[in-house]
Amino acid sequence: EVQLLESGGGVVQPGGSLRLSCAASGFTFSNFAMSWVRQAPGKGLEWVSAISDGGGTTYFADSVKGRFTMSRDNSKNTVYLQMDSLRAADTATYYCVKEDSDEPGVDPSFEHWGQGALVTVSS
Amino acid sequence: DVVMTQSPLSLPVTLGQPASISCRSSQSLLYSDGDTYLNWFQQRPGQSPRRLIYKVSNRDSGVPDRFSGSGSGTDFTLKISRVEAEDVAVYYCMQGTHWPPTFGQGTKVEIK
Repeated sequence: EVQLLESGGGVVQPGGSLRLSCAASGFTFSNFAMSWVRQAPGKGLEWVSAISDGGGTTYFADSVKGRFTMSRDNSKNTVYLQMDSLRAADTATYYCVKEDSDEPGVDPSFEHWGQGALVTVSS
Repeated sequence: DVVMTQSPLSLPVTLGQPASISCRSSQSLLYSDGDTYLNWFQQRPGQSPRRLIYKVSNRDSGVPDRFSGSGSGTDFTLKISRVEAEDVAVYYCMQGTHWPPTFGQGTKVEIK
């Protein structure tokens, strides 16, 4: 059974940094691309970033480009989202999502989601 | 980016009655390989999204057959043949044909 467990959420001041982790199990982690999708309180879903199976390629939404980085450690079956220069608009629940292919692109699928990590940016 | 537009945004339904949600994309979702990458997700209160339908009309494992998806090109529909109490949720369409993936605004289904 695929399981994705996010951690690292919390409250941070504007301009601050936070790193989210997502520990994966139940599948061969190193064979699949991964994404982060966020949801602001009471709002809809927004794709944030994606990383290829080997970690060599990353993609970001324009809203976070230059502020967020994504990485993975295939030896630990874990993917990370480093969030810098945080803004109030980044307040959201961040979901770790497994893709069905090795490279982000057509048909991200999004069959498996984690339970989410809440990030609150507030002074 | 491809804009996904859902309607209605709120859908009160009587138990046992059908429900229908429309999703329109700003560009055709037909990919060059012949597939159309349009998915539907259900998000119950306090839960993570759950994929119900992939590639327009394929139900995921464990999804009741009262849920069905249809459509082509830019117009898609999610139908619930007879709404049950457990179907109270927000439903999202998502396109995966064009990068980046984008979601509709969501349709909240509630019991009348």
